[in-house]
Amino acid sequence: GDSVTQMEGPVTLSEEAFLTINCTYTATGYPSLFWYVQYPGEGLQLLLKATKADDKGSNKGFEATYRKETTSFHLEKGSVQVSDSAVYFCALKTQAAGGTSYGKLTFGQGTILTVHP
Amino acid sequence: NAGVTQTPKFRVLKTGQSMTLLCAQDMNHEYMYWYRQDPGMGLRLIHYSVGEGTTAKGEVPDGYNVSRLKKQNFLLGLESAAPSQTSVYFCASSYTGSNTEAFFGQGTRLTVV
Repeated sequence: GDSVTQMEGPVTLSEEAFLTINCTYTATGYPSLFWYVQYPGEGLQLLLKATKADDKGSNKGFEATYRKETTSFHLEKGSVQVSDSAVYFCALKTQAAGGTSYGKLTFGQGTILTVHP
Repeated sequence: NAGVTQTPKFRVLKTGQSMTLLCAQDMNHEYMYWYRQDPGMGLRLIHYSVGEGTTAKGEVPDGYNVSRLKKQNFLLGLESAAPSQTSVYFCASSYTGSNTEAFFGQGTRLTVV
């Protein structure tokens, strides 16, 4: 079945440091890949997505590139801020052959990021 | 801009009690989902619906039932709560099932004692 593996956390960084959160996946079909962010006490929000190989998703200074050859979708940001402190989830949706999909997301376990001033 | 609204936000149940969690979306989405979030395990799909009157089992359906009588509402029921159902429950909806964004509610924190 489909699965997503994220790097173990928590991750603690100083403000303006470089961030990488690793994400690898296994999937059948043709997955779309997502990063969701969960701020304290809130639900999940879409951060960025990529729907086919070599696509780069970007938003709020975060980037991730869909690498089919390495089955990876690593999240990066060049300079983190205290306000980036949150839990980050990598997720995928597979598109079954024939084009049908029920939109079910498969999530990684989440990575807690804490950024200190 | 209500989006996806979950009721209640917090609840404490005794073992064996029943309850219903309500999810309402105002975006006219066809697809709706219930997930549970547990530490170190990400979110796992409980049940989902691809339209009014339809439901299907997800990854961890045991101990839960759902109903989708109206397009905008998706109810999650626990008939006899168990401590293993202590979790944070999230509802989500999306317009289609392909690569479109899923919108999440703020969650319901349920504790079963």
